[in-house]
Amino acid sequence: EIVLTQSPGTLSLSPGERATLSCRASQSVSSSYLAWYQQKPGQAPRLLIYGASSRATGIPDRFSGSGSGTDFTLTISRLEPEDFAVYYCQQYGSSPTFGQGTKVEIK
Amino acid sequence: QVQLVQSGAEVKKPGASVKVSCKASGYTFTSYGISWVRQAPGQGLEWMGWISAYNGNTNYAQKLQGRVTMTTDTSTSTAYMELRSLRSDDTAVYYCARDGLFGSHAFDIWGQGTMVTVSS
Repeated sequence: EIVLTQSPGTLSLSPGERATLSCRASQSVSSSYLAWYQQKPGQAPRLLIYGASSRATGIPDRFSGSGSGTDFTLTISRLEPEDFAVYYCQQYGSSPTFGQGTKVEIK
Repeated sequence: QVQLVQSGAEVKKPGASVKVSCKASGYTFTSYGISWVRQAPGQGLEWMGWISAYNGNTNYAQKLQGRVTMTTDTSTSTAYMELRSLRSDDTAVYYCARDGLFGSHAFDIWGQGTMVTVSS
């Protein structure tokens, strides 16, 4: 099983600031089968990024993903009030796994 | 629009079984798979398994092998997840999500979630 470790656990930032979230895999993620999701309280997760760097339909361009192999990053260029949420990375190979999540909170 | 609509909340006693449904609309059901994901209160996301809506092939998380069964009814575009021998640590919100025909696809559409509470 591929273990995904996200850091930091919590990120305290102000609206307008840049957020950088990290996801490290215990072994190489094949074909960049790496996705990022956003989850707000009481809601289902929402797909933001797939294939490590492709934005899902309707996702604003302030969200970007990068990385390959075992190290991946989600960047939110300028935080909007609606971006404060929990973010999960996921590898979606044959047996998908999720990271433990990074909470982006208002400073 | 493309959506997955799940059945309502359930309360079960330890040792019982639960069956959650997930009805798809707005896309060709048999061209995709369905994964099931659960989230215990205050915790992260746990993938439970996948089923192909085309041919019924399944891939279950090792942790749940023997306790979980996933099925589909193509006549109603509905996927089902049954979990048996329920324990208190099965208390969670259960989500269905659209996956690839062969798996290995990001989960682009999610159901609204079904709360399952296991309590004596």
